[in-house]
Amino acid sequence: ILNVEQSPQSLHVQEGDSTNFTCSFPSSNFYALHWYRWETAKSPEALFVMTLNGDEKKKGRISATLNTKEGYSYLYIKGSQPEDSATYLCAFIRSNTGKLIFGQGTTLQVKP
Amino acid sequence: GAVVSQHPSWVICKSGTSVKIECRSLDFQATTMFWYRQFPKQSLMLMATSNEGSKATYEQGVEKDKFLINHASLTLSTLTVTSAHPEDSSFYICRGLRGYTEAFFGQGTRLTVV
Repeated sequence: ILNVEQSPQSLHVQEGDSTNFTCSFPSSNFYALHWYRWETAKSPEALFVMTLNGDEKKKGRISATLNTKEGYSYLYIKGSQPEDSATYLCAFIRSNTGKLIFGQGTTLQVKP
Repeated sequence: GAVVSQHPSWVICKSGTSVKIECRSLDFQATTMFWYRQFPKQSLMLMATSNEGSKATYEQGVEKDKFLINHASLTLSTLTVTSAHPEDSSFYICRGLRGYTEAFFGQGTRLTVV
């Protein structure tokens, strides 16, 4: 059984705090890992597609790292803002299926 | 990014009736559409994959006669929940594939069966 686990399930931080969350996935047959940002009543928006062990990607104040050997990815948000409030999803693609397997998401609430 | 428009965003229906959910790719041709379902506090689960002009491929445990998927054109895919029951109440969301690697989600549909 394939499991993608995200932690924590939810997070409340103050504006200006930096935060990070974890996505754990099976380390065998890795193909790619996706991160999405999902605001309420909107479509999930792709943040990063990561394919190589040791990958680090950055988009503004948000960055992500990838460790395929141990099966985890971290998402970091520097200096959180209220507009960062959303659910952050990760999804793993196994090489022999091509299908996205999603974690349950981490819901971030940033208080002004 | 490209847009996939999903309607309705929410629907309440009576047990035993059918509900149709539409996903339209507004500015690209979606050769493949993925349909997902999400129960509370759970992850998005793939229900089926549809390719334009072909029969959909359903994941294990998903009843193809209950969840009818039509992908008759490159810009429109529909999911019909037939004879809906309260246990079908869930969040349904589509994801359209542009080319080989880029995909875009719809906004999702919250279905409540009473």
